[in-house]
Amino acid sequence: AQSVSQHNHHVILSEAASLELGCNYSYGGTVNLFWYVQYPGQHLQLLLKYFSGDPLVKGIKGFEAEFIKSKFSFNLRKPSVQWSDTAEYFCAVNAGGFQKLVFGTGTRLLVSP
Amino acid sequence: SAVISQKPSRDICQRGTSLTIQCQVDSQVTMMFWYRQQPGQSLTLIATANQGSEATYESGFVIDKFPISRPNLTFSTLTVSNLSPEDSSIYLCSVELAGGPTDTQYFGPGTRLTVL
Repeated sequence: AQSVSQHNHHVILSEAASLELGCNYSYGGTVNLFWYVQYPGQHLQLLLKYFSGDPLVKGIKGFEAEFIKSKFSFNLRKPSVQWSDTAEYFCAVNAGGFQKLVFGTGTRLLVSP
Repeated sequence: SAVISQKPSRDICQRGTSLTIQCQVDSQVTMMFWYRQQPGQSLTLIATANQGSEATYESGFVIDKFPISRPNLTFSTLTVSNLSPEDSSIYLCSVELAGGPTDTQYFGPGTRLTVL
């Protein structure tokens, strides 16, 4: 069965610090990869997605993620975080042509001003 | 993307009762999904609801407990039956939109259920 691991459950950063959130998945075939974000009091929003092509994907609000197939990873990065990036971040995968999304456990990011 | 609304946004229910959650989307979609997010945990797919066919349930979820209706291409309901405190969760619907080379799921705001 597919699984997604997010190793950082809670991350605390100061503004302007760089961010990298880890995401690893277990599936050997073709995958589609997603990062979703949930800001406080808001619903889940798509941050970025990878399906093929350039493994470095750019999303909204200055976020990017890199797909490394050999490491089964899809880490999320941002060079300089802002207080407004405080949110919970979820990595998700669907694979094998199925629409089912499998989510990681989420990472709560707190950015202090 | 799509505009997805859910009703109610939250509810407090007594054990043994049922709650029906509505999901409305502003465009016609084939695939709708229902997820559960238990406190402190990630999202887990309950079932996939296609218009015109029976919902497909994931392992651990059964129709008697989570009956789903999908009467048209813009609407679905999820009922959580015979409530127990363990059903206290956020329930989310999502829709799949075809955009570019891959389909993407977009989520509603969720329904926060507390069972006493």
